[in-house]
Amino acid sequence: GESVGLHLPTLSVQEGDNSIINCAYSNSASDYFIWYKQESGKGPQFIIDIRSNMDKRQGQRVTVLLNKTVKHLSLQIAATQPGDSAVYFCAENSGAGGTSYGKLTFGQGTILTVHP
Amino acid sequence: GAVVSQHPSRVICKSGTSVKIECRSLDFQATTMFWYRQFPKQSLMLMATSNEGSKATYEQGVEKDKFLINHASLTLSTLTVTSAHPEDSSFYICSAAPGHLTYEQYFGPGTRLTVT
Repeated sequence: GESVGLHLPTLSVQEGDNSIINCAYSNSASDYFIWYKQESGKGPQFIIDIRSNMDKRQGQRVTVLLNKTVKHLSLQIAATQPGDSAVYFCAENSGAGGTSYGKLTFGQGTILTVHP
Repeated sequence: GAVVSQHPSRVICKSGTSVKIECRSLDFQATTMFWYRQFPKQSLMLMATSNEGSKATYEQGVEKDKFLINHASLTLSTLTVTSAHPEDSSFYICSAAPGHLTYEQYFGPGTRLTVT
């Protein structure tokens, strides 16, 4: 089946640096992508999303880039803070209708550690 | 807004017993709820999709007779792990989607199940 994967399982940065977390997806039919942050023992927290008709979207300190040509998604975090330390997952939605609508496929996750 | 709760947050049970986990959308009606399982240091794996008033749709490899899902109202879905075994120990996370025509879904805080 289709899957979403990540290039780097861990990322360590210094406080104040910019962080880039990458994700590769394989389902060319996916039309919606989301980045989640998960802290230990908690559920995923929405960070930012992007639809397939866009290639960039910015939020507060975060930017998501989508390259459909190479099926690559990235999350950029500006001025990374210790509170950003968590596991980051990308997820894709490829359901076009019926029982598949809204189903998310999660990538493997990247552990981000921010050192003060 | 868009708060999803789970109860209990953690539960320990003996092998062979059944455990019920509740997922509630507190401030919106959830047409669809999703149940995920997450093993330590792994990603979220979708178990089943639950639509209010109808039978749940299970992912391949998930035993529907072992993981009973009931979505009796637009704000409550329950997952019952029947005849639990130590290998069922995991972090169970639900999410709730407010409508048919939206990709948005909101995650609960998760339930840590330990089977002894």
